[in-house]
Amino acid sequence: NAGVMQNPRHLVRRRGQEARLRCSPVKGHSHVYWYRQLPEEGLKFMVYLQKENIIDESGMPKERFSAEFPKEGPSILRIQQVVRGDSAAYFCASSPPSSPQTQYFGPGTRLLVL
Amino acid sequence: GNSVTQMEGPVTLSEEAFLTINCTYTATGYPSLFWYVQYPGEGLQLLLKATKADDKGSNKGFEATYRKETTSFHLEKGSVQVSDSAVYFCALSGQGGTSYDKVIFGPGTSLSVIP
Repeated sequence: NAGVMQNPRHLVRRRGQEARLRCSPVKGHSHVYWYRQLPEEGLKFMVYLQKENIIDESGMPKERFSAEFPKEGPSILRIQQVVRGDSAAYFCASSPPSSPQTQYFGPGTRLLVL
Repeated sequence: GNSVTQMEGPVTLSEEAFLTINCTYTATGYPSLFWYVQYPGEGLQLLLKATKADDKGSNKGFEATYRKETTSFHLEKGSVQVSDSAVYFCALSGQGGTSYDKVIFGPGTSLSVIP
């Protein structure tokens, strides 16, 4: 069984460009979470989504960041007009409906903003 | 609010040494507790979990017991290997059952095992 898939694994952007990070959850998982890991720090929650709904976005910056989880296709984390401080590893996790607190993580996308 | 505190690293041990990584938490209600491991360049992997007081989670020789009286979930392993070198994250979530709550992670403890 395939685990959580994320792509790209590495992404380089210049300041002001847009970054799109994709996450395909484990088959059958309907809950998706995005976390950000800054260098030498732990993971910080950003957003929790179910299909077509944002449930909790309390960890998302108010500007430039958005997330979606459409009915078909992967979840997307979108960062507009990136700045150097957005450089981090972004991890996606998914969980099954029966056990929403047990999360399975993807390999992450490492974003570097030049 | 809920929070997790871990012992600061880095921790350096010789192969076959005993490992303890301390973790304490602050939470309302009865959270579930987790240990995740992150190998270099990879995502987090769930190592073990415990969902109620006095439960012991175990996996790959690692163990942790949910101690409600001391609000702790210390990770232990009797004999570490070089392949155990990684960053270990203690985490908690929610009230248990199926009610959602975000996972709160500790800052991580880096472990290096030398031959």
